[in-house]
Amino acid sequence: DGGITQSPKYLFRKEGQNVTLSCEQNLNHDAMYWYRQDPGQGLRLIYYSQIVNDFQKGDIAEGYSVSREKKESFPLTVTSAQKNPTAFYLCASRTPGQGLVNTEAFFGQGTRLTVV
Amino acid sequence: QQQVKQSPQSLIVQKGGISIINCAYENTAFDYFPWYQQFPGKGPALLIAIRPDVSEKKEGRFTISFNKSAKQFSLHIMDSQPGDSATYFCAALGRSDQKVTFGTGTKLQVIP
Repeated sequence: DGGITQSPKYLFRKEGQNVTLSCEQNLNHDAMYWYRQDPGQGLRLIYYSQIVNDFQKGDIAEGYSVSREKKESFPLTVTSAQKNPTAFYLCASRTPGQGLVNTEAFFGQGTRLTVV
Repeated sequence: QQQVKQSPQSLIVQKGGISIINCAYENTAFDYFPWYQQFPGKGPALLIAIRPDVSEKKEGRFTISFNKSAKQFSLHIMDSQPGDSATYFCAALGRSDQKVTFGTGTKLQVIP
């Protein structure tokens, strides 16, 4: 089955610790994205990557880092510099539109991160 | 800068009624408009999408209406059911866009 797999589903972090959220896709999509969702809120873009070994900051990149060493994988590290990391994190992927074809994003099932 | 404005923020509809969620955009380069449905604790899932060369698209009980001149589009859920209770996001993107622009979401509750 093709899809996007995020792990773990739940993650607890002590203050001052770095944690890494996994995102793997087997859809052969070039572009991958990380979003943060707070309770009752919309989706805020953290980082995105259009191709391997390249990524750009989104709207709320401070306190986060990413890597894109493989097309299938786009891990997100929440660093100790992120002052309020408790949130629901969503990974997405898509094939950027070419010519007359445009494509929507497909999402994983999310990771809920809680600081304890 | 919010490029896609979504309303209402929340909506309560009785079972069997019509749920209507509206979105408006500013960027005339947008040419693809998907809608997503998100249940609590889950990732958003694509529900239905439309291109601006058509004014309406229907899939089952879900219909998108599109008004290109007004730069507005809306989602209509006919015969709303309690199982439709979820958060709905509209989105927009253009052919050269690297990012998808999302609305702020509408929490729909369908009551029996």
